[in-house]
Amino acid sequence: KQEVTQIPAALSVPEGENLVLNCSFTDSAIYNLQWFRQDPGKGLTSLLLIQSSQREQTSGRLNASLDKSSGRSTLYIAASQPGDSATYLCAVLDDYKLSFGAGTTVTVRA
Amino acid sequence: GAVVSQHPSWVICKSGTSVKIECRSLDFQATTMFWYRQFPKQSLMLMATSNEGSKATYEQGVEKDKFLINHASLTLSTLTVTSAHPEDSSFYICSAQISPSGSYGYTFGSGTRLTVV
Repeated sequence: KQEVTQIPAALSVPEGENLVLNCSFTDSAIYNLQWFRQDPGKGLTSLLLIQSSQREQTSGRLNASLDKSSGRSTLYIAASQPGDSATYLCAVLDDYKLSFGAGTTVTVRA
Repeated sequence: GAVVSQHPSWVICKSGTSVKIECRSLDFQATTMFWYRQFPKQSLMLMATSNEGSKATYEQGVEKDKFLINHASLTLSTLTVTSAHPEDSSFYICSAQISPSGSYGYTFGSGTRLTVV
Protein backbone atom coordinates (compact mmCIF):
# COMPACT_ATOMS: atom_id res chain seq x y z
CA LYS A 1 0.00 0.00 0.00
CA GLN A 2 1.35 3.39 -1.01
CA GLU A 3 2.16 5.73 1.87
CA VAL A 4 2.85 9.40 1.27
CA THR A 5 4.57 11.53 3.89
CA GLN A 6 5.00 15.28 3.91
CA ILE A 7 7.53 17.07 6.06
CA PRO A 8 7.27 19.47 7.75
CA ALA A 9 3.63 19.47 8.81
CA ALA A 10 3.72 23.22 9.27
CA LEU A 11 6.04 26.02 8.25
CA SER A 12 6.14 29.74 9.06
CA VAL A 13 8.46 32.06 7.19
CA PRO A 14 8.87 35.81 6.68
CA GLU A 15 7.83 37.27 3.38
CA GLY A 16 10.48 36.96 0.69
CA GLU A 17 12.02 33.77 1.99
CA ASN A 18 12.15 30.70 -0.27
CA LEU A 19 9.99 27.74 0.71
CA VAL A 20 11.02 24.09 0.50
CA LEU A 21 8.32 21.46 0.95
CA ASN A 22 9.10 17.76 0.98
CA CYS A 23 7.09 14.75 -0.07
CA SER A 24 8.14 11.10 0.10
CA PHE A 25 6.36 7.96 -1.06
CA THR A 26 7.03 4.31 -0.38
CA ASP A 27 6.28 2.65 -3.73
CA SER A 28 8.23 4.09 -6.66
CA ALA A 29 5.98 2.48 -9.27
CA ILE A 30 3.99 5.64 -9.87
CA TYR A 31 2.53 7.16 -13.03
CA ASN A 32 2.83 10.75 -11.89
CA LEU A 33 2.94 13.07 -8.89
CA GLN A 34 0.80 16.13 -8.46
CA TRP A 35 1.16 19.08 -6.09
CA PHE A 36 -1.98 20.86 -4.90
CA ARG A 37 -2.80 23.92 -2.90
CA GLN A 38 -5.75 24.01 -0.50
CA ASP A 39 -7.04 27.16 1.13
CA PRO A 40 -9.08 26.81 4.35
CA GLY A 41 -12.54 25.40 3.65
CA LYS A 42 -11.87 25.14 -0.07
CA GLY A 43 -11.17 22.47 -2.62
CA LEU A 44 -7.82 21.61 -4.17
CA THR A 45 -6.10 23.67 -6.84
CA SER A 46 -3.56 21.86 -8.97
CA LEU A 47 -0.15 23.51 -9.02
CA LEU A 48 2.17 21.17 -10.86
CA LEU A 49 1.99 17.70 -12.39
CA ILE A 50 5.16 15.69 -12.91
CA GLN A 51 5.05 12.55 -15.02
CA SER A 52 7.09 9.58 -13.83
CA SER A 53 9.54 10.09 -16.72
CA GLN A 54 10.19 13.72 -15.79
CA ARG A 55 12.62 15.14 -13.26
CA GLU A 56 11.01 18.51 -12.68
CA GLN A 57 8.29 20.97 -13.61
CA THR A 58 8.23 24.74 -13.30
CA SER A 59 5.46 27.30 -13.23
CA GLY A 60 6.30 30.86 -12.34
CA ARG A 61 7.78 30.93 -8.84
CA LEU A 62 7.05 27.25 -8.34
CA ASN A 63 9.41 24.41 -9.14
CA ALA A 64 8.84 20.77 -8.31
CA SER A 65 11.41 18.01 -8.61
CA LEU A 66 10.85 14.27 -8.69
CA ASP A 67 13.31 11.51 -7.83
CA LYS A 68 11.25 8.42 -8.44
CA SER A 69 13.96 5.94 -7.51
CA SER A 70 14.33 7.40 -4.04
CA GLY A 71 10.62 8.11 -3.68
CA ARG A 72 10.95 11.85 -3.17
CA SER A 73 9.58 15.10 -4.50
CA THR A 74 10.32 18.64 -3.45
CA LEU A 75 8.26 21.75 -4.09
CA TYR A 76 10.18 25.01 -4.13
CA ILE A 77 8.39 28.34 -3.89
CA ALA A 78 10.65 31.29 -4.56
CA ALA A 79 10.29 34.68 -2.90
CA SER A 80 7.28 33.76 -0.79
CA GLN A 81 4.35 36.15 -0.40
CA PRO A 82 1.55 36.30 2.20
CA GLY A 83 -0.79 35.05 -0.53
CA ASP A 84 1.17 31.80 -0.59
CA SER A 85 -0.20 30.95 2.84
CA ALA A 86 -2.15 27.70 2.43
CA THR A 87 -1.85 23.96 2.85
CA TYR A 88 0.14 22.19 0.17
CA LEU A 89 -0.64 18.57 -0.62
CA CYS A 90 1.25 16.12 -2.76
CA ALA A 91 -0.43 13.12 -4.33
CA VAL A 92 0.97 10.17 -6.26
CA LEU A 93 -0.93 8.17 -8.84
CA ASP A 94 -0.41 4.43 -8.98
CA ASP A 95 -2.77 1.74 -10.27
CA TYR A 96 -5.12 4.59 -11.19
CA LYS A 97 -5.55 5.64 -7.58
CA LEU A 98 -4.36 8.84 -5.95
CA SER A 99 -2.65 8.65 -2.58
CA PHE A 100 -2.30 11.88 -0.64
CA GLY A 101 0.09 13.13 1.97
CA ALA A 102 -1.30 14.93 5.02
CA GLY A 103 -0.03 18.25 3.74
CA THR A 104 2.26 21.07 4.82
CA THR A 105 0.54 24.17 6.17
CA VAL A 106 2.48 27.25 5.20
CA THR A 107 2.21 30.68 6.80
CA VAL A 108 4.04 33.57 5.20
CA ARG A 109 4.37 36.52 7.58
CA ALA A 110 4.22 40.01 6.13
CA GLY B 1 -10.12 24.01 -18.78
CA ALA B 2 -11.00 20.82 -16.91
CA VAL B 3 -13.22 22.44 -14.32
CA VAL B 4 -15.33 20.54 -11.83
CA SER B 5 -18.21 22.37 -10.21
CA GLN B 6 -19.45 21.13 -6.84
CA HIS B 7 -22.65 22.20 -5.09
CA PRO B 8 -23.64 23.13 -2.52
CA SER B 9 -20.53 24.64 -0.93
CA TRP B 10 -22.04 24.22 2.49
CA VAL B 11 -25.17 22.66 3.94
CA ILE B 12 -26.69 22.27 7.39
CA CYS B 13 -29.23 19.51 7.92
CA LYS B 14 -31.08 17.86 10.76
CA SER B 15 -30.24 14.37 11.96
CA GLY B 16 -32.11 11.70 10.06
CA THR B 17 -32.48 13.67 6.86
CA SER B 18 -30.69 13.09 3.56
CA VAL B 19 -28.41 15.46 1.73
CA LYS B 20 -27.38 15.38 -1.92
CA ILE B 21 -24.11 16.80 -3.19
CA GLU B 22 -23.57 17.34 -6.92
CA CYS B 23 -20.38 17.31 -8.88
CA ARG B 24 -20.35 18.40 -12.53
CA SER B 25 -17.56 18.44 -15.07
CA LEU B 26 -18.09 21.67 -17.00
CA ASP B 27 -15.86 21.43 -20.03
CA PHE B 28 -14.92 17.79 -20.34
CA GLN B 29 -16.47 14.37 -19.99
CA ALA B 30 -15.62 12.61 -16.76
CA THR B 31 -15.95 8.87 -17.18
CA THR B 32 -14.68 8.39 -13.66
CA MET B 33 -15.21 10.60 -10.63
CA PHE B 34 -13.97 10.21 -7.10
CA TRP B 35 -15.47 11.20 -3.77
CA TYR B 36 -13.29 12.11 -0.83
CA ARG B 37 -13.90 13.00 2.77
CA GLN B 38 -11.59 15.26 4.72
CA PHE B 39 -11.44 15.65 8.48
CA PRO B 40 -9.95 18.80 10.06
CA LYS B 41 -6.18 19.03 9.64
CA GLN B 42 -6.11 15.67 7.90
CA SER B 43 -5.61 14.59 4.34
CA LEU B 44 -8.21 13.39 1.91
CA MET B 45 -9.70 9.96 2.40
CA LEU B 46 -11.02 8.28 -0.73
CA MET B 47 -14.58 7.09 -0.16
CA ALA B 48 -15.57 5.73 -3.52
CA THR B 49 -14.95 5.72 -7.24
CA SER B 50 -17.91 6.27 -9.52
CA ASN B 51 -18.00 5.22 -13.13
CA GLU B 52 -20.58 6.51 -15.56
CA GLY B 53 -23.36 4.02 -16.03
CA SER B 54 -22.20 1.48 -13.48
CA LYS B 55 -22.15 0.92 -9.75
CA ALA B 56 -19.67 2.80 -7.64
CA THR B 57 -16.72 1.07 -6.05
CA TYR B 58 -16.48 1.81 -2.34
CA GLU B 59 -13.34 1.79 -0.24
CA GLN B 60 -13.11 -0.54 2.68
CA GLY B 61 -15.02 0.72 5.69
CA VAL B 62 -17.30 3.07 3.74
CA GLU B 63 -21.01 2.24 4.11
CA LYS B 64 -22.47 2.03 0.64
CA ASP B 65 -26.02 2.25 1.96
CA LYS B 66 -25.26 5.49 3.79
CA PHE B 67 -23.28 7.15 1.03
CA LEU B 68 -25.19 6.62 -2.20
CA ILE B 69 -23.31 7.53 -5.35
CA ASN B 70 -24.89 7.95 -8.74
CA HIS B 71 -23.02 8.70 -11.96
CA ALA B 72 -25.82 8.84 -14.47
CA SER B 73 -24.06 10.87 -17.12
CA LEU B 74 -20.55 11.73 -18.28
CA THR B 75 -20.78 15.13 -16.62
CA LEU B 76 -22.62 14.52 -13.37
CA SER B 77 -21.97 12.47 -10.26
CA THR B 78 -23.94 12.80 -7.04
CA LEU B 79 -23.27 11.76 -3.48
CA THR B 80 -26.28 11.38 -1.20
CA VAL B 81 -25.68 11.10 2.52
CA THR B 82 -28.72 9.20 3.79
CA SER B 83 -30.11 9.40 7.31
CA ALA B 84 -27.36 11.80 8.26
CA HIS B 85 -25.97 11.87 11.79
CA PRO B 86 -23.64 14.35 13.47
CA GLU B 87 -20.68 12.03 12.90
CA ASP B 88 -21.22 12.46 9.16
CA SER B 89 -20.36 16.13 9.51
CA SER B 90 -17.28 16.65 7.41
CA PHE B 91 -15.84 18.23 4.27
CA TYR B 92 -16.64 16.28 1.11
CA ILE B 93 -14.73 16.83 -2.14
CA CYS B 94 -15.24 15.34 -5.57
CA SER B 95 -12.59 14.85 -8.21
CA ALA B 96 -12.33 13.77 -11.82
CA GLN B 97 -9.57 12.46 -14.03
CA ILE B 98 -8.74 14.92 -16.76
CA SER B 99 -7.96 12.02 -19.07
CA PRO B 100 -9.21 8.41 -18.84
CA SER B 101 -5.91 7.13 -17.46
CA GLY B 102 -5.25 10.00 -15.11
CA SER B 103 -2.03 10.79 -16.93
CA TYR B 104 -2.98 14.44 -17.21
CA GLY B 105 -3.76 14.68 -13.52
CA TYR B 106 -6.88 15.26 -11.54
CA THR B 107 -9.12 18.24 -10.99
CA PHE B 108 -11.12 18.84 -7.85
CA GLY B 109 -14.37 20.49 -6.90
CA SER B 110 -14.49 23.28 -4.36
CA GLY B 111 -15.81 21.00 -1.64
CA THR B 112 -18.97 20.82 0.46
CA ARG B 113 -19.01 21.47 4.19
CA LEU B 114 -21.74 19.29 5.71
CA THR B 115 -22.92 19.99 9.23
CA VAL B 116 -25.51 17.67 10.75
CA VAL B 117 -27.30 19.04 13.79
